[in-house]
Amino acid sequence: SQTIHQWPATLVQPVGSPLSLECTVEGTSNPNLYWYRQAAGRGLQLLFYSVGIGQISSEVPQNLSASRPQDRQFILSSKKLLLSDSGFYLCAWSSGSYEQYFGPGTRLTVT
Amino acid sequence: DAKTTQPPSMDCAEGRAANLPCNHSTISGNEYVYWYRQIHSQGPQYIIHGLKNNETNEMASLIITEDRKSSTLILPHATLRDTAVYYCIVRVAGGGADGLTFGKGTHLIIQP
Repeated sequence: SQTIHQWPATLVQPVGSPLSLECTVEGTSNPNLYWYRQAAGRGLQLLFYSVGIGQISSEVPQNLSASRPQDRQFILSSKKLLLSDSGFYLCAWSSGSYEQYFGPGTRLTVT
Repeated sequence: DAKTTQPPSMDCAEGRAANLPCNHSTISGNEYVYWYRQIHSQGPQYIIHGLKNNETNEMASLIITEDRKSSTLILPHATLRDTAVYYCIVRVAGGGADGLTFGKGTHLIIQP
């Protein structure tokens, strides 16, 4: 069966510090991968998606970036965090069909 | 993707059927209706999807009106663990690689 992992589960970082969140998927090949963010009191917002290694599409301009160095690995990064980057970051995968499967999420607090 | 409208919140007694409505009056012929839910502090969970026929799985039933302009998600015997935000999403057939567009959803509260 397929599983999706995210780490860390929680993170507290100062403004201006770098960020690296990692997502890995097991049990499937060539998945579509996604990063979403949920700010406090707000809905889920799609940030990036990827259909293959090195292929990244950005939905929202911001100081975040994403990379896909391996087929089942998706990384969300920032060089300098802003207070507004605080939120619940969710990784998801799909096989190109109807459902997307979400990971447990990373709760990021920028102080 | 077509826009959806859901009530912001609903209550339901434990053990009763929870009926969550969704309006999608601008849905196109090739767009499916999907339902996800998000339990507090967890990632969203896929529930069910449908095109025009009613659908049922182990979690829920989906009733789509004949004109496809609205639908209802039914949790037949709600439990406290069903308390969550439920999202109705409309998107093109086959899904593709595009991400999901989540609205504000309906916060369903199951009362003991």
